[in-house]
Amino acid sequence: DTGVSQNPRHKITKRGQNVTFRCDPISEHNRLYWYRQTLGQGPEFLTYFQNEAQLEKSRLLSDRFSAERPKGSFSTLEIQRTEQGDSAMYLCASSRIEDFSYGYTFGSGTRLTVV
Amino acid sequence: SQQGEEDPQALSIQEGENATMNCSYKTSINNLQWYRQNSGRGLVHLILIRSNEREKHSGRLRVTLDTSKKSSSLLITASRAADTASYFCAPLYSGAGSYQLTFGKGTKLSVIP
Repeated sequence: DTGVSQNPRHKITKRGQNVTFRCDPISEHNRLYWYRQTLGQGPEFLTYFQNEAQLEKSRLLSDRFSAERPKGSFSTLEIQRTEQGDSAMYLCASSRIEDFSYGYTFGSGTRLTVV
Repeated sequence: SQQGEEDPQALSIQEGENATMNCSYKTSINNLQWYRQNSGRGLVHLILIRSNEREKHSGRLRVTLDTSKKSSSLLITASRAADTASYFCAPLYSGAGSYQLTFGKGTKLSVIP
């Protein structure tokens, strides 16, 4: 297992289009998190899953955003009707419930540019 | 906001010098974690200190935690150009359902060769 994998690495889309990102966590990690990061800022929490259940969603996550984690494995984050303000780096991370000693493992992110 | 706040926002030092970054937070924590982010990349977990610990070492990293002052510091000794990155603290707050880390704006460290 080589860590958390995110695809695509970069996405350029026109305003109003829908986009979907994928995250493959470390296989034995049962928690999965999505964050968004804009230039010069720290990552902002969007949502997290424990296995397949979506347990928490940020108020930042408008109704245009939806995330799924079918079967508790990979996760997808979809943004509908993209806006220029959605341009950001979208980061996925995973961790194990039982073990706080190692923190989160982050993927390299998907950079979204809305034109 | 429940995020950690890093200080300073930017730090520039010569290679070989020590770098110290500080973090303040708001309420009781389970643990506090430090992460590094190279430009345009994901975050890398550096070190975690639990609320009942006061100091922790990992290689050239030394982290301290003062729960009475709700603050932590990260010391990088004998800095290298490769240490150039943004550093974030992330408190994990106590309480039911508090499983998400919150991040501040970070400290941008530049190590000049």
